[in-house]
Amino acid sequence: AQKVTQAQTEISVVEKEDVTLDCVYETRDTTYYLFWYKQPPSGELVFLIRRNSFDEQNEISGRYSWNFQKSTSSFNFTITASQVVDSAVYFCALSESPISSGSARQLTFGSGTQLTVLP
Amino acid sequence: EPEVTQTPSHQVTQMGQEVILRCVPISNHLYFYWYRQILGQKVEFLVSFYNNEISEKSEIFDDQFSVERPDGSNFTLKIRSTKLEDSAMYFCASSATGGLYETKSAFFGQGTRLTVV
Repeated sequence: AQKVTQAQTEISVVEKEDVTLDCVYETRDTTYYLFWYKQPPSGELVFLIRRNSFDEQNEISGRYSWNFQKSTSSFNFTITASQVVDSAVYFCALSESPISSGSARQLTFGSGTQLTVLP
Repeated sequence: EPEVTQTPSHQVTQMGQEVILRCVPISNHLYFYWYRQILGQKVEFLVSFYNNEISEKSEIFDDQFSVERPDGSNFTLKIRSTKLEDSAMYFCASSATGGLYETKSAFFGQGTRLTVV
């Protein structure tokens, strides 16, 4: 069975600080997909990134960066120079590979990290 | 950019009543999902749907729940007899494939907040 753990329930930082959100996952599959979603106070789920298990290259997108380490089963998310608008709940999620092209695999979400960026 | 739309955004219903939550997935997508999020908790998978049948379902998705694609555009979640504990945000999502070849994740709608009183 797959599992995603986000040990940090709440994090509070002051604007312009860097912050890292941790994500540790468990899966028996050798092929899987990892995701990060942002949930602002308005409630919608905003897709941030998807990574394949066979691609361990770290990724940077503006102020966001992701560190995928298969050896430690971690997929951490760093926001540099945080801004008040970054305040949200951030979810890490895992999807195992579809059994066949006709099956859709569910996302398993972590419990989320509430990030508060103070002005 | 194409998006998944859900209606209504908020629904209040009395315990025991039936509710239907509606979703319009992205038009060329083939896989459809429902997730729910009880207030302050994690997002939980309910069901996935492909080729007019359920692909996977979770333990939460019991006989009180059903899904349907009544026409070429809508995807609905029905809760037959609502309970207080069904109060949650319900998210619909769609994806072009089952996940193997996608370049992006499933797209989520903005959610329907269901309140059972």
